[in-house]
Amino acid sequence: KQEVTQIPAALSVPEGENLVLNCSFTDSAIYNLQWFRQDPGKGLTSLLLIQSSQREQTSGRLNASLDKSSGRSTLYIAASQPGDSATYLCAVPPWNQGGKLIFGQGTELSVKP
Amino acid sequence: DTGVSQDPRHKITKRGQNVTFRCDPISEHNRLYWYRQTLGQGPEFLTYFQNEAQLEKSRLLSDRFSAERPKGSFSTLEIQRTEQGDSAMYLCASSRRGGVNTEAFFGQGTRLTVV
Repeated sequence: KQEVTQIPAALSVPEGENLVLNCSFTDSAIYNLQWFRQDPGKGLTSLLLIQSSQREQTSGRLNASLDKSSGRSTLYIAASQPGDSATYLCAVPPWNQGGKLIFGQGTELSVKP
Repeated sequence: DTGVSQDPRHKITKRGQNVTFRCDPISEHNRLYWYRQTLGQGPEFLTYFQNEAQLEKSRLLSDRFSAERPKGSFSTLEIQRTEQGDSAMYLCASSRRGGVNTEAFFGQGTRLTVV
């Protein structure tokens, strides 16, 4: 059974810092890995999707890496801003399970001005 | 493309009442998913449709829950005889049929409070 874990559960940094969020999963039989952002009381916004054969994906100040063999992904945020404050979730769709996503519990990020 | 739309955004109901939520997926997406999220947790899968066929239901989906997607477009999720434990955010997502490049898009969710 696929399990996804995110560490840390919460993180507080001063504005301008570079930071890394971690995601680990127990079964490497996945199609891809998605990172999402969730603002309080809102839905999920897709940030990045890394295909299972890829190692990295970049979008603006965000860079996500994937090491499928070790069951790990990281989300790197450069030059953090107060507007980056949100909960960040990673999720994987296991093979042959209809594309449903298994989520981690999220990392709540607070960027202080 | 207006994204995934959910209605209502918020619902407060008394215990024992029935509630129904609606989800309109992205128009060209043939897969539609329902998730439930409680405070401080990641979303948990409830059920999904491919076109109008409901292909999987989680054990979280008790017999008080029913979902439909009658014409393969919008979907409804009904909860009968609501309980306080049903209070949560209900999220809908849609995607094209699966593969390594398949990205899921989520709606804004329906926040249910059972009092």
